[in-house]
Amino acid sequence: GQNIDQPTEMTATEGAIVQINCTYQTSGFNGLFWYQQHAGEAPTFLSYNVLDGLEEKGRFSSFLSRSKGYSYLLLKELQMKDSASYLCAVRDSSASKIIFGSGTRLSIRP
Amino acid sequence: GAVVSQHPSWVICKSGTSVKIECRSLDFQATTMFWYRQFPKQSLMLMATSNEGSKATYEQGVEKDKFLINHASLTLSTLTVTSAHPEDSSFYICSAPTPSGRAGYEQYFGPGTRLTVT
Repeated sequence: GQNIDQPTEMTATEGAIVQINCTYQTSGFNGLFWYQQHAGEAPTFLSYNVLDGLEEKGRFSSFLSRSKGYSYLLLKELQMKDSASYLCAVRDSSASKIIFGSGTRLSIRP
Repeated sequence: GAVVSQHPSWVICKSGTSVKIECRSLDFQATTMFWYRQFPKQSLMLMATSNEGSKATYEQGVEKDKFLINHASLTLSTLTVTSAHPEDSSFYICSAPTPSGRAGYEQYFGPGTRLTVT
């Protein structure tokens, strides 16, 4: 079966750093994605990890440990516009379909 | 990057009617597209995989007779919600994987269609 877990909600302060964790148990694994989604909009691609380690892209970094079934998204220098839902998603090993976790709603306070 | 469009962006229909949602890949061909549904404050739930030239593959629990998918061409997939009911009101999003021959691994998402059934 497929199971992808994330915290439901998180709050952080503008200018600070926040880490959003994701654990997964899937029948297959061919990469892990992080997406940002603002209310009423489609998801926006943030990062992709298929090998263990840290991928850095500007203020956003994503980490993967395949042996632990674990990933995190790290957001630095938080801005108010970062208030959004962050979706962890795993690509199934077949058919390239992507299964999404429940999402984490991040609120940034001044 | 590749672009995926959806039409309509929003639709209101009466209970019992059918609604068709189109998903188009604008500058690439997509032999596979995915349809997701998202209820308020919830994540995207994969409904089905649309395959050009063959039947769609539905996820467990999704009624194939209610959610008809037709992948008519390499750039168009349609989702028809038949005999819609208020509980079908949701945000429907389609996506297509990175075109073959292009570097990358992304899914390109359409902007979504908000369906409200009254």
